[in-house]
Amino acid sequence: DTEVTQTPKHLVMGMTNKKSLKCEQHMGHRAMYWYKQKAKKPPELMFVYSYEKLSINESVPSRFSPECPNSSLLNLHLHALQPEDSALYLCASSQDLPGQGTYEQYFGPGTRLTVT
Amino acid sequence: AQKVTQAQTEISVVEKEDVTLDCVYETRDTTYYLFWYKQPPSGELVFLIRRNSFDEQNEISGRYSWNFQKSTSSFNFTITASQVVDSAVYFCALSEVGTGGFKTIFGAGTRLFVKA
Repeated sequence: DTEVTQTPKHLVMGMTNKKSLKCEQHMGHRAMYWYKQKAKKPPELMFVYSYEKLSINESVPSRFSPECPNSSLLNLHLHALQPEDSALYLCASSQDLPGQGTYEQYFGPGTRLTVT
Repeated sequence: AQKVTQAQTEISVVEKEDVTLDCVYETRDTTYYLFWYKQPPSGELVFLIRRNSFDEQNEISGRYSWNFQKSTSSFNFTITASQVVDSAVYFCALSEVGTGGFKTIFGAGTRLFVKA
């Protein structure tokens, strides 16, 4: 099973709302990622979890709050977003072999977020 | 610093034509991975191939082939006898083992249109 699932597929939220994006994988991968992708741009890394610990935060505003409850799940909590945060949010996972780098990432279908 | 350049923003071909997507990378690390991903209109990034810096063997998979040349820091991707289903955005990406490998830098992407 090489599938990464994400829910919801689409989300419209107001600037005062609180919502969460969810991601799940059952490939036994120990590295999980959140990316943001604007139209006609490449994915931009937001967060990386390795063995359920936050390894990388690419200076993401605090209105985005990641959580990794266990090795299969990754959440992104959203609060007080701005219209410019509207984008496709992609989750990915990969093997994590210490000292050997990261292998290929498997991506979910993404959540298309619109902030009104 | 690591960098990936995909100079071709858009390419348009007619079905059955061969097409080559160019990728040039920069890195100071001696150990790194190179990747190609496909992003069809549905939005999900699909992993196509991984190459490590010590393996310059070219690879062929069906209609797809990849040419990795360290001397020119290039990792080009050729689709033979293109089909309409090949229409997508293709991203070349680089991951350095020295930085932990979690940061994958994507090129800007090449949008391929294959017309029937």
